Amino acid sequence: DIQMTQSPSTLSASVGDRVTITCRASQSISPWLAWYQQKPGKAPKLLISQASTLESGVPSRFSGSGSGTDFTLTISSLQPDDFATYYCQQYSSYSRTFGQGTKVEIK
Amino acid sequence: EVQVVESGGGLVQPGRSLRLSCVASGFTFDDYAMHWVRQAPGKGLEWVSSISWNSGSIAYADSVKGRFTISRDNAKNSLYLQMNSLRAEDTAFYYCAKDTYSGTWYSASDYWGQGTLVTVSS
Repeated sequence: DIQMTQSPSTLSASVGDRVTITCRASQSISPWLAWYQQKPGKAPKLLISQASTLESGVPSRFSGSGSGTDFTLTISSLQPDDFATYYCQQYSSYSRTFGQGTKVEIK
Repeated sequence: EVQVVESGGGLVQPGRSLRLSCVASGFTFDDYAMHWVRQAPGKGLEWVSSISWNSGSIAYADSVKGRFTISRDNAKNSLYLQMNSLRAEDTAFYYCAKDTYSGTWYSASDYWGQGTLVTVSS
């Protein structure tokens, strides 16, 4: 099975900061990589699919990049609503896998 | 409006069985692959199982293989997860999720239910 390694596990940042989260797959998965945002007590929300396609309604401060095994989620200017936990997910095989998650906290 | 609503969770003893259901509305259910994802309290997301639009392809996480069975009834717009031989480590919120794109396995999930809690404890 494909393993997904996400880092960091926790990130402390301030409003306005540029934030980067990385996700590494154990084998090539391009472009089948998604990023989700989850807030406490809520279901995950899809932000980005196919590594870099922003979902409808998602603010443009979110962007995704990468190929092969290495992928990045960037928030260009962190807003109060962005404090949450972020997960990557590969869907290149019948067995899907999530990263361990990155909690973005207020610094 | 697209909706997926899970039900069937509850408290169950170790070794017993439980069946989860997910009823979908607002889209052509039999065009889309569907998935079950779980989240233990305070932990990360774990993919559990997936089923293609016509039930022709099915996949399970190793942690549930041989114990859980995914199925769907397209006539009833419903997805199911039969969970047998439940263990304490199966305790989690179970989410039903719909794929963004129809007719393909290569799609992320754009709509999720609010989850149903399964607690396995004696």
